[in-house]
Formats: sequence, C-alpha cells, structure tokens
Amino acid sequence: EPEVTQTPSHQVTQMGQEVILRCVPISNHLYFYWYRQILGQKVEFLVSFYNNEISEKSEIFDDQFSVERPDGSNFTLKIRSTKLEDSAMYFCASSRERDQPQHFGDGTRLSIL
Amino acid sequence: AQRVTQPEKLLSVFKGAPVELKCNYSYSGSPELFWYVQYSRQRLQLLLRHISRESIKGFTADLNKGETSFHLKKPFAQEEDSAMYYCALSGRGAGGTSYGKLTFGQGTILTVHP
Repeated sequence: EPEVTQTPSHQVTQMGQEVILRCVPISNHLYFYWYRQILGQKVEFLVSFYNNEISEKSEIFDDQFSVERPDGSNFTLKIRSTKLEDSAMYFCASSRERDQPQHFGDGTRLSIL
Repeated sequence: AQRVTQPEKLLSVFKGAPVELKCNYSYSGSPELFWYVQYSRQRLQLLLRHISRESIKGFTADLNKGETSFHLKKPFAQEEDSAMYYCALSGRGAGGTSYGKLTFGQGTILTVHP
C-alpha cells in the first residue's frame, strides 16, 4: 500500500537556523497538509496546499513558515529562524480529494537547541 | 471555530470488556467526524469516518448532533486495540464539500489488559 514518507525522522537544529522538512505524498494525491504536535499537546493544523498554492493556513503558520512543491513528488515545509518553541513532531498528510481521508507520514521530530 | 474534546487522557479496560472512548465537538456548521488510531511506533491511521458508517476492527461510532458527540465503541476489547486514539473534525461548506483541515482532540491512550 502506498505511504506518505517524511525525511528526516529526527532533525536537531540550533536556534536561529533554518530547517527544511521533506515529505513525499502518495503519488496520485492532490491535497497536501502539514500538522504539528508539541510534546503533550494536540495535533494542530498548520497549512493545506493544492494546485501549487496554499488553500488554508492557521494562525500558527506565520511569516516564519513556508511550503513548496519544488518538483512533482516532494512537498516541503521550511521554518526560518527557528525558535525553541518550534520543537515538535511535524506530520505531513495527503489526500486524493479534499473530502477523502488524509494519509499521514511517520512524522519528523524537530528539536531546537 | 472548531473544537474537539476528548475528556479522558487514559482509559484502561480488561480484555473482553466493552470500551467507549468519548469525543465531543463544537462546530457551527456541518461537521465530518473521524477517528484516527496510532499504534505503538506506527503512524496515524484512519480508523473510521462517520459518513461511511462502517465498522472497522469491531469499532463503531455514531454521530449524535444533538449531543455533539462522536463516541467510539467496541463491545469486546482486545489486547491489540491498545493504542492512542484521536477524534478529529473537518468542517463542510454549504455545498457539502469538506474544508480539508482536521481539528484533533487531545487523544486518549487505551490500554487493554489481558
């Protein structure tokens, strides 16, 4: 069964540095999402992406964050000038259509030192 | 605003006992509700969604709009049901199209003892 894959599984970065989290959605899916989960808290929606543009974003997704689909397979989340509070598990998800179930990747654990 | 509440962080039952994981939601429009499950060291997986009205692995959930609830039930719990369970909501527009984004509850860790 096809899966969403995320790399790396764990990223350790110094505060203030930029980080790029990578995702390969399922190949025939059209809608892409990023969520994050701070330790001990809820999974929170960050952004949805369709047809090469952001379709919705949360208040968390400020100018520090950006998403890109640089080629036909990858979907990336860039976090500029990372802060300690950006430490979290980041999940990528994709769906065939907007009202179809979302399939999640294993997540990337981001640790900011 | 969308909100999902799972009042129990932890739930323990014995094998063969009935189990109910509670989920309440708040949403002014037409909601679509889901249950996702995360087994140990595995990814979040969709367990069921209310519009498909299926029973998956013996679990069922009924959307009660009057009580704004979507509780997950299984009559006879199994040890392999031990996992983290998340209730999630997606809003729907006037035409019935999903907005896509999921709002999750806090999650309930279910432990089924032998």
